Amino acid sequence: AQSVTQLGSHVSVSEGALVLLRCNYSSSVPPYLFWYVQYPNQGLQLLLKYTSAATLVKGINGFEAEFKKSETSFHLTKPSAHMSDAAEYFCAVSDYYNQGGKLIFGQGTELSVKP
Amino acid sequence: DGGITQSPKYLFRKEGQNVTLSCEQNLNHDAMYWYRQDPGQGLRLIYYSQIVNDFQKGDIAEGYSVSREKKESFPLTVTSAQKNPTAFYLCASSIDRTTEAFFGQGTRLTVV
Repeated sequence: AQSVTQLGSHVSVSEGALVLLRCNYSSSVPPYLFWYVQYPNQGLQLLLKYTSAATLVKGINGFEAEFKKSETSFHLTKPSAHMSDAAEYFCAVSDYYNQGGKLIFGQGTELSVKP
Repeated sequence: DGGITQSPKYLFRKEGQNVTLSCEQNLNHDAMYWYRQDPGQGLRLIYYSQIVNDFQKGDIAEGYSVSREKKESFPLTVTSAQKNPTAFYLCASSIDRTTEAFFGQGTRLTVV
């Protein structure tokens, strides 16, 4: 069965500091991986996706993630945090082999950015 | 602009009542999904549909029902059998099972 684990339910960084949000996955088939961002009382917005092409994936708003098969990881990074990055972030893997492409989500990581 | 529209944004329900949440998409996507979000639990799949007139139960389908009579529409009914319906409900769609999902803005349902 596929699963996603996000390490750290809350991460706090200073404005201008590096953002690192951790995600590890478990999958019996080549994974399709995604990072989404959610602002309060809103839907989820796709940040980036990995679909077996380049292992370093660039997304919107300066975020990027690196797929490491040996570590079963897909950590999200941003070199310099901005106040507007404060939100909840979800890592997800697609269960395309079984349940029609349903997304299996991690528990989410709430990112706080201090001035 | 293409997208997914959920309505209403906020919904209040009395215990014992059924309520229906609307989800409409104009992205021409075949697959549609309903997720439930509770604090600290991430998102869990309620129902999904890969094609018109066909849908399957997700992980937490008890107390919910759906229909898929049109490609653009995938309404969710929260029935009185759902014992703890207060949550944030998100509808999503995707081109197919291997592509990313696009989400609506959600409906917050509260039982009063």
